[in-house]
Amino acid sequence: NAGVTQTPKFQVLKTGQSMTLQCAQDMNHEYMSWYRQDPGMGLRLIHYSVGAGITDQGEVPNGYNVSRSTTEDFPLRLLSAAPSQTSVYFCASSYNAQGFGNTIYFGEGSWLTVV
Amino acid sequence: GDSVTQMEGPVTLSEEAFLTINCTYTATGYPSLFWYVQYPGEGLQLLLKATKADDKGSNKGFEATYRKETTSFHLEKGSVQVSDSAVYFCALRNYGGSQGNLIFGKGTKLSVKP
Repeated sequence: NAGVTQTPKFQVLKTGQSMTLQCAQDMNHEYMSWYRQDPGMGLRLIHYSVGAGITDQGEVPNGYNVSRSTTEDFPLRLLSAAPSQTSVYFCASSYNAQGFGNTIYFGEGSWLTVV
Repeated sequence: GDSVTQMEGPVTLSEEAFLTINCTYTATGYPSLFWYVQYPGEGLQLLLKATKADDKGSNKGFEATYRKETTSFHLEKGSVQVSDSAVYFCALRNYGGSQGNLIFGKGTKLSVKP
């Protein structure tokens, strides 16, 4: 069972570079999302999607871009990396957003350092 | 908007001690409540959940009861082990207030000493 797969697991970027964090799920889930985790801040929502072709902003969307061209994939793009984007990033998915008792499953995380 | 408040850590206990991590929430309607656990260097795993008032979620010796009257979902375990050392996150999911997204508390780090 692959579940939610994130790549890369570790990445070091220079300020101003761009990159894409990949996220894929094999559970046919409609809902997918990206969170960032920072010390003392818990997890904060960056962007989310309730289905292919539909995306929306979360709490901290600035500096990030997403798209959802397929049900399976939800990549997160850093347009011009800044040191403030040094964080651990988690992708998550669930069957849908309306059934809010549905469990949200998380990937293993991507550790990003911007120097 | 919806929010979750959980006790700040770190919490340090001896093996076999009783654990309580407090969690309270603010939300419109009837959210579902979750506890997630993050072991060192790993992602988040669902520990337990409850979807309506008075439900009790339980897993691996951990329990939490959905108390609507006190808007609480405290995590308890009767006898902790060293292997329980991790960060614990309380979270809610509420379609009306947060469009079905998880809202997290800031996490509580638990260290269990042998």
